[in-house]
Amino acid sequence: SQQGEEDPQALSIQEGENATMNCSYKTSINNLQWYRQNSGRGLVHLILIRSNEREKHSGRLRVTLDTSKKSSSLLITASRAADTASYFCATASGGGADGLTFGKGTHLIIQP
Amino acid sequence: SAVISQKPSRDICQRGTSLTIQCQVDSQVTMMFWYRQQPGQSLTLIATANQGSEATYESGFVIDKFPISRPNLTFSTLTVSNLSPEDSSIYLCSVGLNSNQPQHFGDGTRLSIL
Repeated sequence: SQQGEEDPQALSIQEGENATMNCSYKTSINNLQWYRQNSGRGLVHLILIRSNEREKHSGRLRVTLDTSKKSSSLLITASRAADTASYFCATASGGGADGLTFGKGTHLIIQP
Repeated sequence: SAVISQKPSRDICQRGTSLTIQCQVDSQVTMMFWYRQQPGQSLTLIATANQGSEATYESGFVIDKFPISRPNLTFSTLTVSNLSPEDSSIYLCSVGLNSNQPQHFGDGTRLSIL
C-alpha cells in the first residue's frame, strides 16, 4: 500500500533554478530512495539514503532525511531541460525482502 | 547494476484474454518484484517473486488474477489474466540484491485493453 505523499504534485521552473521536492511517509523505514521516470518509461534510481543518515549528495542532487518528521526532500540544483520528468520517493521497510512503497510523485517541468 | 530486459514493451489485448510479461536479468539476483502503474498514477507493488516457491502478494492482488513464476534467480514472468479495461497500466519488474541496496527497474510493459 502507498504511504508516501509528494509535495508539490507538479512544479514548473525556469532552467537554471533549483527545484525542491518533498516526501512524507507514515511507517518506520530502513531506507528511502528517489527515482526519476521520463514519460512513462522505466524508473531510474537516483539516490538511496539510509535511516541513520541525514543528508546525501550525488552530483547536482541533494537528499535530506528527517526520520523524526518522517519526511525527505530532494533538491536539484542548476536545473536543466533534461531534468523534466516525474520524481518519486519510495520507502523500504526492511525486515526481509520487502518491495518498495512509492509516493504519489512530483511532475517537474523545466522551462528553457 | 543489473541489466533488465522486459518483454513485451507494449501490447494491445482483447478483453477476457491473458498476457504474460517476461523479466530477464543478466545476473543472479535475490529479489524480484512486480509493480503496476495505472495511468497518471504512482507505482503499486503487486507481489514479490520468490525463487522456487509461490509469490507473495500484496493486499488487493491475488494469484488467480496475477500468476507469477520465478523458476531461477534470473527470470520471472507475470501473467495478467482475464483482461478488462481496468487492467490498462504499465507493469514493471524490479530487482535488488538486498533491502539495503537500490532496486533497479525494467523499462516496463505498457498494456492497453480494447
